[in-house]
Amino acid sequence: AQSVTQPDIHITVSEGASLELRCNYSYGATPYLFWYVQSPGQGLQLLLKYFSGDTLVQGIKGFEAEFKRSQSSFNLRKPSVHWSDAAEYFCAVGDGNRDDKIIFGKGTRLHILP
Amino acid sequence: DAGITQSPRHKVTETGTPVTLRCHQTENHRYMYWYRQDPGHGLRLIHYSYGVKDTDKGEVSDGYSVSRSKTEDFLLTLESATSSQTSVYFCAISEPDREFYEQYFGPGTRLTVT
Repeated sequence: AQSVTQPDIHITVSEGASLELRCNYSYGATPYLFWYVQSPGQGLQLLLKYFSGDTLVQGIKGFEAEFKRSQSSFNLRKPSVHWSDAAEYFCAVGDGNRDDKIIFGKGTRLHILP
Repeated sequence: DAGITQSPRHKVTETGTPVTLRCHQTENHRYMYWYRQDPGHGLRLIHYSYGVKDTDKGEVSDGYSVSRSKTEDFLLTLESATSSQTSVYFCAISEPDREFYEQYFGPGTRLTVT
């Protein structure tokens, strides 16, 4: 069965520093991969997605992610974080069925130091 | 932002009482989903719908039922609320004919069962 692992429950970085959030997936075929962000008290917003093609995908808010099939990873990166990036980030994978279900990781909460 | 509303946004109820949460969309998307979000568990799928009157169970469906009599509305019912159902509930929509697996989320309903 498909699964998503986000190894880091909490990450703390200083404002202006670079960021990388890890995501590993388990899936037999080419996966549909997503990163969502959830600000406190809000719903989830799609940051970026990967379906096929270029393995480096650009998203909103200056985020990017790289699909690495050999490592079964889809890590999220940002070169310089802002205080407003403090949120919870969820990696997700499409479950391969046509009913469009996706499977979420348990999330990584990002804290920003001033 | 996708036109998704959830009502109520907050609810406190007593154990054993019935509760119905409503998700309303204005996007005419075919698929709708109910998730619950709990600390350390990420988002878990409760039920989903792939069309009017067409629903199916998700990962954590015990104690919940759903109904979809119109494209725009998806109701989640807790027949007899328990304290373990205290959670934040999110509705999501998708239209697989347009974008595979891309789900858009509502703002959430915080439910407390006392």
